[in-house]
Amino acid sequence: NAGVTQTPKFRILKIGQSMTLQCAQDMNHNYMYWYRQDPGMGLKLIYYSVGAGITDKGEVPNGYNVSRSTTEDFPLRLELAAPSQTSVYFCASSYPPLAGGYTGELFFGEGSRLTVL
Amino acid sequence: GNSVTQMEGPVTLSEEAFLTINCTYTATGYPSLFWYVQYPGEGLQLLLKATKADDKGSNKGFEATYRKETTSFHLEKGSVQVSDSAVYFCAPQAGNMLTFGGGTRLMVKP
Repeated sequence: NAGVTQTPKFRILKIGQSMTLQCAQDMNHNYMYWYRQDPGMGLKLIYYSVGAGITDKGEVPNGYNVSRSTTEDFPLRLELAAPSQTSVYFCASSYPPLAGGYTGELFFGEGSRLTVL
Repeated sequence: GNSVTQMEGPVTLSEEAFLTINCTYTATGYPSLFWYVQYPGEGLQLLLKATKADDKGSNKGFEATYRKETTSFHLEKGSVQVSDSAVYFCAPQAGNMLTFGGGTRLMVKP
């Protein structure tokens, strides 16, 4: 019962490098999200997707890009890493409102800790 | 949009003590309200929720009541355990979007 799987769990980048954080879910959820969590802070929404082929910006999208080619996968790309992007990144998924099984609950991955030096 | 104010932590309690973590929110309309918990090294998981005024959500001995008049959703537990040590997040929901508070770290000592 995998749920939401994120890779890698840890990564250190140099300033200006690029990388992709992978996220996959096996619950057939339409909605997927990327959040970042800075130390002592709440979660901030970076991007979200309501289905394959559809993405939209959240609260803090600058410096990131996403794609959603399949229902299962929602990768997050950092093009030019900056120290301000040092954070823990969480991917989450949920059913859409009005769908069978909808409870409003978001299902989270275990997080990816990124350090930019 | 929605906003959330949670009491700042850390909250340090002895085992079997009573717990209250305050949460107030501002929102348009009457959002569903959630408490999520994050155990060390893990992602967030749903603890409890309430979907309308005066509803009480409960799970694992934790409770929270949706107070429309005071726009609050305070988390309580009568007797905490060491295993309850975690970070707790209050989150009102608008559509399918959650707005998370800053989190309150709870530390329970034996």
